[in-house]
Amino acid sequence: SQQGEEDPQALSIQEGENATMNCSYKTSINNLQWYRQNSGRGLVHLILIRSNEREKHSGRLRVTLDTSKKSSSLLITASRAADTASYFCATEGGNEKLTFGTGTRLTIIP
Amino acid sequence: DTAVSQTPKYLVTQMGNDKSIKCEQNLGHDTMYWYKQDSKKFLKIMFSYNNKELIINETVPNRFSPKSPDKAHLNLHINSLELGDSAVYFCASRRQGAGGNTIYFGEGSWLTVV
Repeated sequence: SQQGEEDPQALSIQEGENATMNCSYKTSINNLQWYRQNSGRGLVHLILIRSNEREKHSGRLRVTLDTSKKSSSLLITASRAADTASYFCATEGGNEKLTFGTGTRLTIIP
Repeated sequence: DTAVSQTPKYLVTQMGNDKSIKCEQNLGHDTMYWYKQDSKKFLKIMFSYNNKELIINETVPNRFSPKSPDKAHLNLHINSLELGDSAVYFCASRRQGAGGNTIYFGEGSWLTVV
């Protein structure tokens, strides 16, 4: 079965608001990564957080990782219309295989 | 300068046909992948090659055969196409032994089997 599951499956917010997406996984990991996919395009790497890290920032992105709960969250602050996309978490274990979650479809309403 | 490029972007073909999707990366990476994304956007790894050697082979029908002529190329050949093969296929690459490093994806190849 798939490793990661995102929550919510879909999210619509007004431009300027913050968007939070969650990811849960089942087995131990070395790191967790977040990717963005615009409609009709490939996936683009956003941020990586290692298993010994709890929080990481990159621009308007903030990622947290709770290995005890096997969960991660992605926060996008001050959302923009260009943030409209699907967001995927991906976990990596010891075999360096990246396993993707089900994705959250984010829509920013102008 | 496209880092990971795959062709064709769109492919419509009839059941039973054989087709290939080509992938090339100009990043100097040693590891390349094929992922399949279904209609529900679920992305699943199919194959992983490291320096032309097969590393990961998930439960994929043997109608799917990857071929890596060199470490910059990983092509996907599909025999006897079925309706259920309709999906988006993504090629990707990253540096060898780069656990925790970024995977770079191509733009995808939309395969429709009719």
